[in-house]
Amino acid sequence: DVKVTQSSRYLVKRTGEKVFLECVQDMDHENMFWYRQDPGLGLRLIYFSYDVKMKEKGDIPEGYSVSREKKERFSLILESASTNQTSMYLCASSAELAGSDTQYFGPGTRLTVL
Amino acid sequence: AQSVTQLDSQVPVFEEAPVELRCNYSSSVSVYLFWYVQYPNQGLQLLLKYLSGSTLVKGINGFEAEFNKSQTSFHLRKPSVHISDTAEYFCAVSDPNFNKFYFGSGTKLNVKP
Repeated sequence: DVKVTQSSRYLVKRTGEKVFLECVQDMDHENMFWYRQDPGLGLRLIYFSYDVKMKEKGDIPEGYSVSREKKERFSLILESASTNQTSMYLCASSAELAGSDTQYFGPGTRLTVL
Repeated sequence: AQSVTQLDSQVPVFEEAPVELRCNYSSSVSVYLFWYVQYPNQGLQLLLKYLSGSTLVKGINGFEAEFNKSQTSFHLRKPSVHISDTAEYFCAVSDPNFNKFYFGSGTKLNVKP
């Protein structure tokens, strides 16, 4: 069965802290994605990666960076957390780089920045 | 860029009643269309998708959706809902040439006994 796991379900950080969100998939998928989910806005793509060490900006990359050193792991980094980054963060993966492919989602990390 | 509009942010319905969740998208070119469901405290999972062929698509848990190209719509329907269908539903559109999804803002379906 397909599985995407995220390192934390809930996280509380202070303004200015460096924050790491980790995502691991066990499906040998090529592509991985980071979204943030906010009420009334749906999901917005932050970054995605189509191969190890490769990354592309999504729609809202400002204030974020990513790292993919291994195929199964994709990290989202908030270099200096701010209160407007309080949100639910969802990781996803897919096998093919094609618009028809299903994305598989992790359970999400609810981040609160104080 | 694509845009996806889900016209209803919340839909309350009684158990065993029919329901329709509406979705419209902006592009007139070929797209792929998806409905995902998010149960409380969980990630999203695929309900159904339209890639090509028959415009009526059947998914899991008795849901179906109809692709209407002229109206650029992809409404989700279920003839009889259950309490367990209470969740948030997201419509999504993707570009056939690129694995990039555009999600709607979500519709919360609240099924009452």
